[in-house]
Amino acid sequence: AQKVTQAQTEISVVEKEDVTLDCVYETRDTTYYLFWYKQPPSGELVFLIRRNSFDEQNEISGRYSWNFQKSTSSFNFTITASQVVDSAVYFCALSEAQETSGSRLTFGEGTQLTVNP
Amino acid sequence: GAGVSQSPRYKVAKRGQDVALRCDPISGHVSLFWYQQALGQGPEFLTYFQNEAQLDKSGLPSDRFFAERPEGSVSTLKIQRTQQEDSAVYLCASSLRNGFTDTQYFGPGTRLTVL
Repeated sequence: AQKVTQAQTEISVVEKEDVTLDCVYETRDTTYYLFWYKQPPSGELVFLIRRNSFDEQNEISGRYSWNFQKSTSSFNFTITASQVVDSAVYFCALSEAQETSGSRLTFGEGTQLTVNP
Repeated sequence: GAGVSQSPRYKVAKRGQDVALRCDPISGHVSLFWYQQALGQGPEFLTYFQNEAQLDKSGLPSDRFFAERPEGSVSTLKIQRTQQEDSAVYLCASSLRNGFTDTQYFGPGTRLTVL
């Protein structure tokens, strides 16, 4: 069975600090996808990134960067120079190929990030 | 519209009432998913449609939960005889194709409160 663990329940930082959100996953499949979503107070899940299991290159998008390490089954997310607007709950998710379930996502418990001015 | 829409955004029901939650996916998206998100937790899978076919309903918590997508577009999640433990946010997501490589795009959710 697949599982996603986000050990950090809450993180609080001061604006302009860098912050890393941890994500560890478990799967028996060799082919899978990993995702990060942001959930602001409005409630909608906003897609941030998708990574497949064969691509371990790190990715940077503006102030966001992701570090995928298959050896440790981790897919960590770093926000550089955090801003108040980054305050939200962040979810890591995993999908495996399943014949009938399309690409159902298994989510972690989420990390509540609060960026204080 | 450009994104997934859901209605109503908020629903309050008395225990025992039936409720119906609506999802309008992104136009042209083949796959549609329903998830349940309890307070302070991550979303959990309920059911999956490929066009009008419900291919997986293994996540539905009881036979009081029923979902349909009769014309392969709009979907309705119905909960009969609501219980307090049904209180949660119900999220709908759609993706373009039916392969697992696709990204799911989520709607704003319906917050259901059962009194």
